[in-house]
Amino acid sequence: DAEITQSPRHKITETGRQVTLACHQTWNHNNMFWYRQDLGHGLRLIHYSYGVQDTNKGEVSDGYSVSRSNTEDLPLTLESAASSQTSVYFCASSDSNQPQHFGDGTRLSIL
Amino acid sequence: AQSVTQLDSHVSVSEGTPVLLRCNYSSSYSPSLFWYVQHPNKGLQLLLKYTSAATLVKGINGFEAEFKKSETSFHLTKPSAHMSDAAEYFCVVSDPGTYKYIFGTGTRLKVLA
Repeated sequence: DAEITQSPRHKITETGRQVTLACHQTWNHNNMFWYRQDLGHGLRLIHYSYGVQDTNKGEVSDGYSVSRSNTEDLPLTLESAASSQTSVYFCASSDSNQPQHFGDGTRLSIL
Repeated sequence: AQSVTQLDSHVSVSEGTPVLLRCNYSSSYSPSLFWYVQHPNKGLQLLLKYTSAATLVKGINGFEAEFKKSETSFHLTKPSAHMSDAAEYFCVVSDPGTYKYIFGTGTRLKVLA
């Protein structure tokens, strides 16, 4: 069965460090998305991609970057982790205007 | 611009009684609308979707939703709540122009024994 997997599931790091969260999907979807989920804010879009070599900023993109070198992967990098980036991060993929498929999330704590 | 409002942040029902989770949307286009459920420490799972076919949409686990254009609503219902329905529910509208998805802030459903 096709799936979308995120790793690691949990991570603790220190402020100022670079952190990369992995997202891998086997749906063969062109569209991939990164969200963060915080209490009272629902899911907020960080970055998204419509295909290989395409990346776009979402509403909360400051301090984050992504790259899309193939269809299956969209890693999310925190260039210099800040405590405000402590959150749960979700990756999703979809075909255009169809329902998104979500990973199980990465819980990131920045101390 | 697209937007979604979930009218209740928390809903409590007794097991075996009906569930109603309310969602209003704003869209310049003919929208696609979705309901997702999130159980603790899990990702979001699709319950049902509306994509301009039948206005009454049936989903998984006995849930259904009715698209009402005149009221710009897409409320989620279930005739009889089960303990396993306790979770957070998200209403989502997609923008057909940009393929982006706009999330409501969620409704936490509590089911009392």
